[in-house]
Amino acid sequence: QSALTQPASVSGSPGQSITISCTGTSSDVGGYNYVSWYQQHPGKAPKLMIYEVSNRPSGVPDRFSGSKSGNTASLTISGLQAEDEADYYCSSYTSSSTRWVFGGGTKLTVL
Amino acid sequence: QVQLVESGGGLVKPGGSLRLSCAASGFTFSDYYMSWIRQAPGKGLEWVSYISSSGSTIYYADSVKGRFTISRDNAKNSLYLQMNSLRAEDTAVYYCARGGPGGGDYWGQGTLVTVSS
Repeated sequence: QSALTQPASVSGSPGQSITISCTGTSSDVGGYNYVSWYQQHPGKAPKLMIYEVSNRPSGVPDRFSGSKSGNTASLTISGLQAEDEADYYCSSYTSSSTRWVFGGGTKLTVL
Repeated sequence: QVQLVESGGGLVKPGGSLRLSCAASGFTFSDYYMSWIRQAPGKGLEWVSYISSSGSTIYYADSVKGRFTISRDNAKNSLYLQMNSLRAEDTAVYYCARGGPGGGDYWGQGTLVTVSS
Protein backbone atom coordinates (compact mmCIF):
# COMPACT_ATOMS: atom_id res chain seq x y z
CA GLN A 1 0.00 0.00 0.00
CA SER A 2 1.39 3.39 -1.05
CA ALA A 3 1.96 6.11 1.53
CA LEU A 4 -0.04 8.64 -0.49
CA THR A 5 -3.52 7.82 -1.78
CA GLN A 6 -4.54 8.56 -5.36
CA PRO A 7 -7.57 7.40 -7.34
CA ALA A 8 -6.70 4.48 -9.57
CA SER A 9 -8.18 6.09 -12.64
CA VAL A 10 -9.81 9.25 -13.95
CA SER A 11 -11.12 10.12 -17.37
CA GLY A 12 -12.24 13.10 -19.37
CA SER A 13 -13.04 14.24 -22.87
CA PRO A 14 -10.80 16.48 -24.94
CA GLY A 15 -11.15 20.09 -23.87
CA GLN A 16 -12.51 19.22 -20.44
CA SER A 17 -10.78 19.65 -17.09
CA ILE A 18 -9.92 16.89 -14.64
CA THR A 19 -8.48 16.86 -11.13
CA ILE A 20 -6.40 14.13 -9.53
CA SER A 21 -6.22 14.06 -5.75
CA CYS A 22 -3.35 12.93 -3.56
CA THR A 23 -4.10 12.38 0.12
CA GLY A 24 -1.46 12.02 2.79
CA THR A 25 -1.01 13.07 6.38
CA SER A 26 0.32 15.98 8.39
CA SER A 27 3.72 14.24 8.29
CA ASP A 28 3.99 14.59 4.55
CA VAL A 29 1.57 16.44 2.25
CA GLY A 30 0.02 18.52 5.01
CA GLY A 31 3.24 19.42 6.72
CA TYR A 32 5.49 20.51 3.89
CA ASN A 33 5.26 22.33 0.58
CA TYR A 34 7.32 19.66 -1.17
CA VAL A 35 4.61 18.00 -3.22
CA SER A 36 5.53 17.04 -6.79
CA TRP A 37 3.59 15.53 -9.68
CA TYR A 38 5.00 13.30 -12.43
CA GLN A 39 3.61 12.21 -15.78
CA GLN A 40 4.63 8.83 -17.17
CA HIS A 41 3.76 7.51 -20.61
CA PRO A 42 4.03 3.74 -21.18
CA GLY A 43 7.62 2.58 -21.43
CA LYS A 44 8.98 6.03 -20.69
CA ALA A 45 10.67 7.68 -17.72
CA PRO A 46 8.59 9.90 -15.43
CA LYS A 47 8.53 13.61 -16.22
CA LEU A 48 8.24 16.31 -13.56
CA MET A 49 5.09 18.37 -14.13
CA ILE A 50 4.68 20.25 -10.84
CA TYR A 51 7.08 20.86 -7.94
CA GLU A 52 6.67 22.49 -4.55
CA VAL A 53 2.88 22.14 -4.74
CA SER A 54 2.16 24.56 -7.56
CA ASN A 55 5.28 25.43 -9.54
CA ARG A 56 5.67 24.37 -13.17
CA PRO A 57 9.10 23.56 -14.61
CA SER A 58 10.04 25.34 -17.78
CA GLY A 59 8.31 23.77 -20.79
CA VAL A 60 5.31 22.35 -18.94
CA PRO A 61 2.08 23.81 -20.37
CA ASP A 62 0.09 26.12 -18.11
CA ARG A 63 -2.85 23.74 -18.57
CA PHE A 64 -1.25 21.85 -15.69
CA SER A 65 -1.69 23.32 -12.22
CA GLY A 66 -1.21 22.13 -8.67
CA SER A 67 -2.67 23.06 -5.31
CA LYS A 68 -2.94 21.83 -1.76
CA SER A 69 -5.50 21.99 1.03
CA GLY A 70 -4.71 20.39 4.33
CA ASN A 71 -3.42 16.87 3.78
CA THR A 72 -4.63 16.66 0.18
CA ALA A 73 -2.82 17.89 -2.90
CA SER A 74 -4.40 18.14 -6.32
CA LEU A 75 -3.30 18.20 -9.93
CA THR A 76 -5.66 19.87 -12.37
CA ILE A 77 -5.35 19.53 -16.11
CA SER A 78 -7.50 21.90 -18.11
CA GLY A 79 -8.21 21.75 -21.83
CA LEU A 80 -7.48 18.01 -21.93
CA GLN A 81 -5.55 16.79 -24.93
CA ALA A 82 -5.02 13.28 -26.25
CA GLU A 83 -1.32 13.40 -25.36
CA ASP A 84 -2.21 13.95 -21.71
CA GLU A 85 -3.28 10.30 -21.49
CA ALA A 86 -0.71 8.80 -19.12
CA ASP A 87 -0.09 7.70 -15.56
CA TYR A 88 0.31 10.46 -12.99
CA TYR A 89 2.11 10.12 -9.67
CA CYS A 90 2.24 12.49 -6.75
CA SER A 91 5.10 12.54 -4.27
CA SER A 92 5.97 14.34 -1.08
CA TYR A 93 8.75 14.83 1.39
CA THR A 94 7.95 13.12 4.68
CA SER A 95 9.29 13.55 8.17
CA SER A 96 9.27 9.80 8.64
CA SER A 97 12.41 7.74 8.03
CA THR A 98 11.10 7.11 4.52
CA ARG A 99 11.85 10.77 3.61
CA TRP A 100 10.27 10.62 0.13
CA VAL A 101 6.94 8.95 -0.58
CA PHE A 102 4.94 8.41 -3.76
CA GLY A 103 1.29 7.85 -4.45
CA GLY A 104 0.14 4.68 -6.13
CA GLY A 105 -0.48 6.45 -9.43
CA THR A 106 -3.56 7.47 -11.41
CA LYS A 107 -4.26 6.37 -14.96
CA LEU A 108 -5.73 9.23 -16.97
CA THR A 109 -7.81 8.22 -19.96
CA VAL A 110 -8.77 10.84 -22.54
CA LEU A 111 -12.03 9.61 -24.03
CA GLN B 1 21.16 19.59 -22.22
CA VAL B 2 20.80 17.54 -19.06
CA GLN B 3 21.40 13.84 -19.59
CA LEU B 4 21.30 10.96 -17.13
CA VAL B 5 22.27 7.51 -18.41
CA GLU B 6 21.93 4.47 -16.18
CA SER B 7 23.83 1.24 -16.69
CA GLY B 8 24.66 -1.96 -14.86
CA GLY B 9 21.29 -3.68 -14.76
CA GLY B 10 20.78 -7.33 -15.64
CA LEU B 11 19.78 -10.75 -14.41
CA VAL B 12 21.08 -11.80 -11.00
CA LYS B 13 20.29 -14.71 -8.68
CA PRO B 14 18.66 -14.15 -5.28
CA GLY B 15 21.34 -13.23 -2.76
CA GLY B 16 23.57 -11.82 -5.47
CA SER B 17 24.95 -8.33 -5.99
CA LEU B 18 24.84 -5.71 -8.69
CA ARG B 19 26.24 -2.19 -9.05
CA LEU B 20 24.28 0.40 -10.97
CA SER B 21 25.85 3.53 -12.40
CA CYS B 22 24.37 6.79 -13.60
CA ALA B 23 26.46 9.05 -15.83
CA ALA B 24 25.43 12.69 -15.69
CA SER B 25 26.13 15.44 -18.19
CA GLY B 26 24.87 18.89 -19.16
CA PHE B 27 24.87 20.38 -15.66
CA THR B 28 27.16 20.92 -12.67
CA PHE B 29 26.75 17.51 -11.06
CA SER B 30 28.36 18.51 -7.78
CA ASP B 31 25.66 21.14 -7.15
CA TYR B 32 22.74 18.71 -6.97
CA TYR B 33 21.17 16.08 -4.75
CA MET B 34 20.74 12.83 -6.66
CA SER B 35 18.29 9.99 -6.17
CA TRP B 36 17.47 6.42 -7.16
CA ILE B 37 13.83 5.51 -7.70
CA ARG B 38 12.57 2.12 -8.87
CA GLN B 39 9.46 0.75 -10.52
CA ALA B 40 8.55 -2.93 -10.35
CA PRO B 41 6.91 -4.34 -13.50
CA GLY B 42 3.38 -2.98 -13.79
CA LYS B 43 3.66 -1.17 -10.46
CA GLY B 44 4.12 2.37 -9.20
CA LEU B 45 7.18 4.39 -8.32
CA GLU B 46 9.15 3.67 -5.15
CA TRP B 47 11.89 5.90 -3.84
CA VAL B 48 15.07 3.95 -3.00
CA SER B 49 17.73 6.41 -1.83
CA TYR B 50 19.10 9.89 -2.18
CA ILE B 51 22.43 11.57 -1.56
CA SER B 52 23.33 15.21 -0.98
CA SER B 53 25.53 17.16 -3.35
CA SER B 54 28.65 16.56 -1.27
CA GLY B 55 27.72 13.02 -0.32
CA SER B 56 27.57 13.85 3.37
CA THR B 57 23.83 13.21 3.73
CA ILE B 58 22.29 9.92 2.66
CA TYR B 59 18.86 8.37 3.18
CA TYR B 60 17.44 4.97 2.26
CA ALA B 61 14.00 3.47 2.05
CA ASP B 62 13.39 0.94 4.80
CA SER B 63 13.00 -1.79 2.17
CA VAL B 64 16.66 -1.50 1.10
CA LYS B 65 18.38 -0.22 4.24
CA GLY B 66 21.38 -2.34 5.12
CA ARG B 67 21.51 -3.96 1.67
CA PHE B 68 21.95 -1.04 -0.76
CA THR B 69 24.61 1.68 -0.70
CA ILE B 70 24.38 4.92 -2.64
CA SER B 71 27.51 6.87 -3.52
CA ARG B 72 28.72 9.49 -5.94
CA ASP B 73 31.96 10.61 -7.59
CA ASN B 74 31.67 14.30 -8.36
CA ALA B 75 34.96 14.24 -10.28
CA LYS B 76 33.48 11.65 -12.64
CA ASN B 77 29.94 13.12 -12.68
CA SER B 78 28.63 9.74 -11.65
CA LEU B 79 26.11 8.29 -9.22
CA TYR B 80 26.18 4.68 -8.05
CA LEU B 81 23.97 2.16 -6.30
CA GLN B 82 25.60 -0.94 -4.86
CA MET B 83 22.93 -3.58 -4.34
CA ASN B 84 23.70 -6.62 -2.18
CA SER B 85 21.60 -9.51 -0.90
CA LEU B 86 19.17 -9.01 -3.74
CA ARG B 87 15.66 -10.43 -3.47
CA ALA B 88 12.97 -11.20 -6.00
CA GLU B 89 11.06 -8.13 -4.83
CA ASP B 90 13.97 -5.92 -5.89
CA THR B 91 13.13 -6.70 -9.52
CA ALA B 92 12.39 -3.34 -11.13
CA VAL B 93 13.48 -0.65 -13.51
CA TYR B 94 15.87 1.59 -11.59
CA TYR B 95 15.91 5.27 -12.46
CA CYS B 96 18.39 7.89 -11.38
CA ALA B 97 17.01 11.39 -10.99
CA ARG B 98 18.44 14.83 -10.37
CA GLY B 99 17.13 16.20 -7.10
CA GLY B 100 15.50 14.84 -4.00
CA PRO B 101 12.11 14.88 -2.28
CA GLY B 102 11.53 18.45 -3.40
CA GLY B 103 11.21 17.14 -6.92
CA GLY B 104 13.29 15.10 -9.31
CA ASP B 105 13.46 17.38 -12.33
CA TYR B 106 15.38 15.12 -14.72
CA TRP B 107 15.25 11.33 -14.92
CA GLY B 108 17.28 8.81 -16.85
CA GLN B 109 15.64 6.17 -19.03
CA GLY B 110 16.20 3.48 -16.43
CA THR B 111 17.98 0.15 -16.21
CA LEU B 112 16.21 -3.15 -15.58
CA VAL B 113 17.25 -5.33 -12.69
CA THR B 114 15.82 -8.85 -12.63
CA VAL B 115 16.37 -11.05 -9.58
CA SER B 116 15.53 -14.64 -10.39
CA SER B 117 17.00 -18.11 -10.08
